[in-house]
Amino acid sequence: GIQVEQSPPDLILQEGANSTLRCNFSDSVNNLQWFHQNPWGQLINLFYIPSGTKQNGRLSATTVATERYSLLYISSSQTTDSGVYFCAASSNDYKLSFGAGTTVTVRA
Amino acid sequence: DSGVTQTPKHLITATGQRVTLRCSPRSGDLSVYWYQQSLDQGLQFLIQYYNGEERAKGNILERFSAQQFPDLHSELNLSSLELGDSALYFCASTTGEGNTIYFGEGSWLTVV
Repeated sequence: GIQVEQSPPDLILQEGANSTLRCNFSDSVNNLQWFHQNPWGQLINLFYIPSGTKQNGRLSATTVATERYSLLYISSSQTTDSGVYFCAASSNDYKLSFGAGTTVTVRA
Repeated sequence: DSGVTQTPKHLITATGQRVTLRCSPRSGDLSVYWYQQSLDQGLQFLIQYYNGEERAKGNILERFSAQQFPDLHSELNLSSLELGDSALYFCASTTGEGNTIYFGEGSWLTVV
């Protein structure tokens, strides 16, 4: 299956700061999604973005499929943004593979 | 609320026992995924069903099995449980390949 690598593994932010999370994948994808896992364990879908750019409030994401990477931007971070951010991808084999995640801690 | 319902939310059982985790997908979703999340292995894909048929299989142990029923709910059966099977088990659903996938809240399994 496809290999998904995320960086950085950990990120500590001061409230109000901006940040960029990166996801590299090993093959062409037909499915790429970003998720946020909150401290209670819930996995919440942020973006379905196999290509292009999307924005949702303070979050935005860009996938450059030809170069096999995706970026998640968090602007004006808030303490509620804390948690683990996962990138997941699949390439025509129906197996949505997850990266190891980026743990984000936003301090007040 | 994602619309995906998983039961039970928490389960504590002894080694060697068997448990069944249940998942009801979102209304209209035909595809169901099962994932295991443990501290040392991260989120691991177990198996996927589409409209009752197995579509893809990941690193699912032989002691584990799953099925999707005609009403589209799914069950994951875990048998001969070992301490290392303690994990958070997620079910997720989607209308089909290439669409947004929605996760349930998970079933926390502790094997003692």
